[in-house]
Amino acid sequence: GENVEQHPSTLSVQEGDSAVIKCTYSDSASNYFPWYKQELGKRPQLIIDIRSNVGEKKDQRIAVTLNKTAKHFSLHITETQPEDSAVYFCAASIGGTGGFKTIFGAGTRLFVKA
Amino acid sequence: DGGITQSPKYLFRKEGQNVTLSCEQNLNHDAMYWYRQDPGQGLRLIYYSQIVNDFQKGDIAEGYSVSREKKESFPLTVTSAQKNPTAFYLCASSNLLDSVHGYTFGSGTRLTVV
Repeated sequence: GENVEQHPSTLSVQEGDSAVIKCTYSDSASNYFPWYKQELGKRPQLIIDIRSNVGEKKDQRIAVTLNKTAKHFSLHITETQPEDSAVYFCAASIGGTGGFKTIFGAGTRLFVKA
Repeated sequence: DGGITQSPKYLFRKEGQNVTLSCEQNLNHDAMYWYRQDPGQGLRLIYYSQIVNDFQKGDIAEGYSVSREKKESFPLTVTSAQKNPTAFYLCASSNLLDSVHGYTFGSGTRLTVV
């Protein structure tokens, strides 16, 4: 069945360094790829997303890249700060944001050391 | 905040008891979802509904039941048939016609079997 693999499961970086989280998906019909950030004890919140007709999207220190041929997409956080510490989830969805076929990755716990 | 409210925040269930988790949204979203979150396992879909009076099983529906009598409400009942119900439960909603905002999550209910 459909699957989204996310790596690494844990990532520790020094403040100011970059962090990269990678995901692969199995269903080639997926056309929407959101990323969610979940701080400890809080709800996941959408931080950035990308559609299949775009290869890269950037929002300040956060960028996402998509390689549809390889079925890879990645989250890049530059100049990391302690408040970036959280669990990050990637997801792959078919049919847009309302599509019920949204598969989440297992999550990456990011630690940013001051 | 966020337009989607889950209650209670913490819930304790005795063995053999059914409990109901509430999820209400005032975002006028068509679709609503229930996810279960266990440590290290990401988000797993329990049930989803795209329209009033209709809902579909997700990946782990056994031992759970839902109803969607109103657009705003999507309660989840954890029945005694669910053998390992201790988890963090997240409700989410999305607008099927909105291609921008992804899912909005509630703040979650932490269910513990005592």
